[in-house]
Amino acid sequence: DTEVTQTPKHLVMGMTNKKSLKCEQHMGHRAMYWYKQKAKKPPELMFVYSYEKLSINESVPSRFSPECPNSSLLNLHLHALQPEDSALYLCASSQAGSINEQFFGPGTRLTVL
Amino acid sequence: KNEVEQSPQNLTAQEGEFITINCSYSVGISALHWLQQHPGGGIVSLFMLSSGKKKHGRLIATINIQEKHSSLHITASHPRDSAVYICAVRKGGGATNKLIFGTGTLLAVQP
Repeated sequence: DTEVTQTPKHLVMGMTNKKSLKCEQHMGHRAMYWYKQKAKKPPELMFVYSYEKLSINESVPSRFSPECPNSSLLNLHLHALQPEDSALYLCASSQAGSINEQFFGPGTRLTVL
Repeated sequence: KNEVEQSPQNLTAQEGEFITINCSYSVGISALHWLQQHPGGGIVSLFMLSSGKKKHGRLIATINIQEKHSSLHITASHPRDSAVYICAVRKGGGATNKLIFGTGTLLAVQP
């Protein structure tokens, strides 16, 4: 299994809602990533988990809360988002360590009303 | 100035043409990635390279570490190659696999 899966594919939420994005991989990777991508822009790194511990937080607002419950799963909890948070949220995974290929999921298209 | 620059930003080609996309970077790197993203879609990793040349099917990627430059070539282009191609580099040193992305090249291959 060489796939990173993400659910849901699309999500529409209001500014007062609480929702979660889910990412899963079964490649035995111990590093997992969340990226945010606005239209016609490259991905921006949000968080990196290494061995289920948060290793990088790129100064992301606290309304985004990541969680890595086990080595295969990565969640992104969303609360009190703003319309400008509407974007494609991409998950990726790789072997832990410095030089490893990242495998990306298909993304969740988020719209905040 | 971005640490990773790509050219051209947009490229239109006729089916069958040989295509080259360029990537220049200004930092020391330990690896360079070429990624493909179809409209509205997720990202597919095409190549990761740190020296020399790699080939996969009709795709060829080269890198010149001294000149801090990489190229992605597509031979016998096809409309299904239409996508955004993104160059991303991993800065040398450090323990984490953090990528710096170029702004992408939008390729349209017309039948």
